[in-house]
Amino acid sequence: GAVVSQHPSWVICKSGTSVKIECRSLDFQATTMFWYRQFPKQSLMLMATSNEGSKATYEQGVEKDKFLINHASLTLSTLTVTSAHPEDSSFYICSATQPSYEQYFGPGTRLTVT
Amino acid sequence: GQQLNQSPQSMFIQEGEDVSMNCTSSSIFNTWLWYKQDPGEGPVLLIALYKAGELTSNGRLTAQFGITRKDSFLNISASIPSDVGIYFCAGGLNTDKLIFGTGTRLQVFP
Repeated sequence: GAVVSQHPSWVICKSGTSVKIECRSLDFQATTMFWYRQFPKQSLMLMATSNEGSKATYEQGVEKDKFLINHASLTLSTLTVTSAHPEDSSFYICSATQPSYEQYFGPGTRLTVT
Repeated sequence: GQQLNQSPQSMFIQEGEDVSMNCTSSSIFNTWLWYKQDPGEGPVLLIALYKAGELTSNGRLTAQFGITRKDSFLNISASIPSDVGIYFCAGGLNTDKLIFGTGTRLQVFP
């Protein structure tokens, strides 16, 4: 149980374009989903927390207009990187949880902006 | 963002040896979690701790929640090649908002 998927697993896009990443909880309903970013050889840094049906809460320093998060259902959250630039290239990982349960992570999406 | 201090940063050990790593925080936590991450993958939960002093095992892995609630350690006994990876601690007041450690990169040689 507690399987979280992400799509796509990797994506290459041109500078200035937008990219959408999906995060799905496959066998449970996730009341909360989290989006993290991980640069090479570094730890996971929380970008934002999203609860189903409400606006996401962004961490300090994360631009909400650049990283659009939608948590439309209890099994799906999306992260859209708008007007991507090379410095946005990173490994984006989502996690999903229910109240009083641990966070279960997706396999990650590697974004490369050329 | 805030990170937890995790040590050692990396370890190179021989198969069969025991491994120990720890994590410290300047804040008190109610939850400590240990994850393993393989290259190009998301973290996988190994052990979750919810009570100060708690000692929990998962196979060859043992983790403890420090009495001060500001630290935790993870031991791996009789290491095997598939233990290779990056180990992260994570702490928080609950399981919702976690702060991750800096990671320990483990390499096991046959």
